[in-house]
Amino acid sequence: NAGVTQTPKFQVLKTGQSMTLQCAQDMNHEYMSWYRQDPGMGLRLIHYSVGAGITDQGEVPNGYNVSRSTTEDFPLRLLSAAPSQTSVYFCASSYRDRATEAFFGQGTRLTVV
Amino acid sequence: AQTVTQSQPEMSVQEAETVTLSCTYDTSESDYYLFWYKQPPSRQMILVIRQEAYKQQNATENRFSVNFQKAAKSFSLKISDSQLGDAAMYFCARTGTASKLTFGTGTRLQVTL
Repeated sequence: NAGVTQTPKFQVLKTGQSMTLQCAQDMNHEYMSWYRQDPGMGLRLIHYSVGAGITDQGEVPNGYNVSRSTTEDFPLRLLSAAPSQTSVYFCASSYRDRATEAFFGQGTRLTVV
Repeated sequence: AQTVTQSQPEMSVQEAETVTLSCTYDTSESDYYLFWYKQPPSRQMILVIRQEAYKQQNATENRFSVNFQKAAKSFSLKISDSQLGDAAMYFCARTGTASKLTFGTGTRLQVTL
């Protein structure tokens, strides 16, 4: 099984550019989420989805957009990149049961210059 | 905000020795789940151990065990017989009524010879 596939692994953007981080899972998980990881701040929740067609905001949603048209895919869009969005981004998926393990993608290191 | 606190940014342990990583959390819920995740230099997030709040018995996974003190809202991770491969960033995390994970800021563990 591929698990959670996240692309790209590295990206450099110029301020104001837009881009989409891709995330796909093949485990039929209902719950998918995006986190950003910054030094000294742990992982913070950006957006999440409990199923196809349902998304909601996390702790730090500003500047990001998501959609969930299928169970498998949960892309994260940066609308107009800013240097403050320089970070490592993780996609995760799990069954909706909150006791279950979350599976993470390999992360995307994004630099906005 | 309901938070997770890891007060030790860095810890060091000698190979074969025991080390304890601290974690405290804040929640108003009676039913929740606690996790420790390991992040080696590869960036991959790996589940180490999981604790269900309604279970009084401390979880154990091989050399990893927890000391769960529900009244004190404390959830420490003990690593016995430390190995070089245990060197990583360790994150404490909690879920509540949804599958959303709230992470601590992490503890970087060094293992020395």
